[in-house]
Amino acid sequence: EAQVTQNPRYLITVTGKKLTVTCSQNMNHEYMSWYRQDPGLGLRQIYYSMNVEVTDKGDVPEGYKVSRKEKRNFPLILESPSPNQTSLYFCASRISKVHEQYFGPGTRLTVT
Amino acid sequence: AQKITQTQPGMFVQEKEAVTLDCTYDTSDQSYGLFWYKQPSSGEMIFLIYQGSYDEQNATEGRYSLNFQKARKSANLVISASQLGDSAMYFCAMREGQGMNTDKLIFGTGTRLQVFP
Repeated sequence: EAQVTQNPRYLITVTGKKLTVTCSQNMNHEYMSWYRQDPGLGLRQIYYSMNVEVTDKGDVPEGYKVSRKEKRNFPLILESPSPNQTSLYFCASRISKVHEQYFGPGTRLTVT
Repeated sequence: AQKITQTQPGMFVQEKEAVTLDCTYDTSDQSYGLFWYKQPSSGEMIFLIYQGSYDEQNATEGRYSLNFQKARKSANLVISASQLGDSAMYFCAMREGQGMNTDKLIFGTGTRLQVFP
């Protein structure tokens, strides 16, 4: 089944404890993105990648890191999480010639 | 700078009626794409429809159509014959360019649609 998977789906952590949220797609998509969703703010793009080893900032990259070492994986790294990074995070992917993005199921992160 | 504005935080519509969800955008680019996504209460994001800035015809996908008015910079979503399953959050989004040189996407704040019997 074609899909975007994210792990973990739920995470509660403490301020300053490094964490990684994984994202993987099995559709051979070139483009991948990370978004965060907060009430009243819609979705905001954190980072995107247009191919292996090619990443670029979205609107809210501060406090996040990404890497794209393999086409299928695009992990989101929070080196020192803070409470303002408590949010719902979505990973998405698409093929370059198609406009539609496929979204993962989301990861709900709480930083205390 | 790019901006997407959805001025309707919530909308109600009766089943089988049509409803229009508003979206205005701001960009200095001539080439851009506009999207609508649906987010049901279960949380997943579902792509509905896409309109390119150079497309002459309004996009349609089943009961969804995008009323694209370039001069007014509006890209309203029209849902015909509403169904109870249409109750969800709807997001308008924009990407500058034709999607080959950038994948930077901005979203509006969303409109919550409730369909009642």
